[in-house]
Amino acid sequence: EDQVTQSPEALRLQEGESSSLNCSYTVSGLRGLFWYRQDPGKGPEFLFTLYSAGEEKEKERLKATLTKKESFLHITAPKPEDSATYLCAVTSGGGADGLTFGKGTHLIIQP
Amino acid sequence: NAGVTQTPKFQVLKTGQSMTLQCAQDMNHEYMSWYRQDPGMGLRLIHYSVGAGITDQGEVPNGYNVSRSTTEDFPLRLLSAAPSQTSVYFCASSLAPGDTQYFGPGTRLTVL
Repeated sequence: EDQVTQSPEALRLQEGESSSLNCSYTVSGLRGLFWYRQDPGKGPEFLFTLYSAGEEKEKERLKATLTKKESFLHITAPKPEDSATYLCAVTSGGGADGLTFGKGTHLIIQP
Repeated sequence: NAGVTQTPKFQVLKTGQSMTLQCAQDMNHEYMSWYRQDPGMGLRLIHYSVGAGITDQGEVPNGYNVSRSTTEDFPLRLLSAAPSQTSVYFCASSLAPGDTQYFGPGTRLTVL
């Protein structure tokens, strides 16, 4: 059974204060690891897909990395508009069984 | 493209009532799925479909029914609503199983 654990549950940063969110996973045969952003009352918004250890992807102030056991979402010089819940999910095997999600990290960026 | 659309946005039901949550996508995606999101828990898979005419159960299928008669539509039916089904429901789609899934805006359901 696939498992995903995200830490911390909540994080409060000052504007410009860089940090990292962690996603630890246990799967038998990783097919893909996904990062989503979710704003209150909205659906998850896709950020990144990572497929193999060592892979990195960047988008504006966000950078996602992947190892064989965990993924990090690095946030550099965040702005208040980066405040959201960040969700990590994995899929394994053929992928038909959908995504297994972590509980998310609630990020608040204070001006 | 509208992407993934869901209706209604909000719904209140009484225990025992039935209803259908609608989901449609205009991206010609083969794979579609339904998740529920509850406080303190990650999103959990209810049912999924790998193509028209093919559906299967996810992690929490009890009390829900699905069908896939077209590539575009994947409705979720609550047969006899229970308070435990109070949740936010998200529909998602991807080109193929295991590919990046794109989510709809959600339906917030309350069962009294």
